[in-house]
Amino acid sequence: NAGVMQNPRHLVRRRGQEARLRCSPMKGHSHVYWYRQLPEEGLKFMVYLQKENIIDESGMPKERFSAEFPKEGPSILRIQQVVRGDSAAYFCASSLVGLAENNEQFFGPGTRLTVL
Amino acid sequence: GENVEQHPSTLSVQEGDSAVIKCTYSDSASNYFPWYKQELGKRPQLIIDIRSNVGEKKDQRIAVTLNKTAKHFSLHITETQPEDSAVYFCAASPYSSASKIIFGSGTRLSIRP
Repeated sequence: NAGVMQNPRHLVRRRGQEARLRCSPMKGHSHVYWYRQLPEEGLKFMVYLQKENIIDESGMPKERFSAEFPKEGPSILRIQQVVRGDSAAYFCASSLVGLAENNEQFFGPGTRLTVL
Repeated sequence: GENVEQHPSTLSVQEGDSAVIKCTYSDSASNYFPWYKQELGKRPQLIIDIRSNVGEKKDQRIAVTLNKTAKHFSLHITETQPEDSAVYFCAASPYSSASKIIFGSGTRLSIRP
């Protein structure tokens, strides 16, 4: 049973370009979470999605950032017009059911975004 | 919203000694408290968690305690080994927004041989 998959593992973009980060949850998991980790800092919650629905996006910047989890395919975190401050590790996690049932979140290996 | 404070930010202990990391949280409605270990360049991995109806939980050399009245919880690692060196994060899940995990700022634990 493969774990949470993320790609690419490393992504380099120039200021103003778009970044697309992909996350495939564990098999059977329908809940996906995105977190951002700045260097030497903790993880900050960004968004929680279920298939075709955004459940909680309270941690996501209002501009330039968007996320989706379509019926088919991976979850996508999209950052438009990237700036240097977007450089970070972006981790995706998935769970079998929602956290309300206190279900463990399994983390992917992360995508390290570098903005030049 | 929920805020999780974690101390110390760095901790160095002699191999074989115990390590203790402490966290406080602000939202009294939080009911789930996981601890994650993150090695350099790797993903966070759950090492132990505790629910609000339990005061203490132990798994081999790792134990976690929870004091809901004081809103603090702690991680205890006994008989530390070199492979325990990593960054440890405490976290809390506020019941009012059950989807989130709010993380502490992390503790960098170093085990001296």
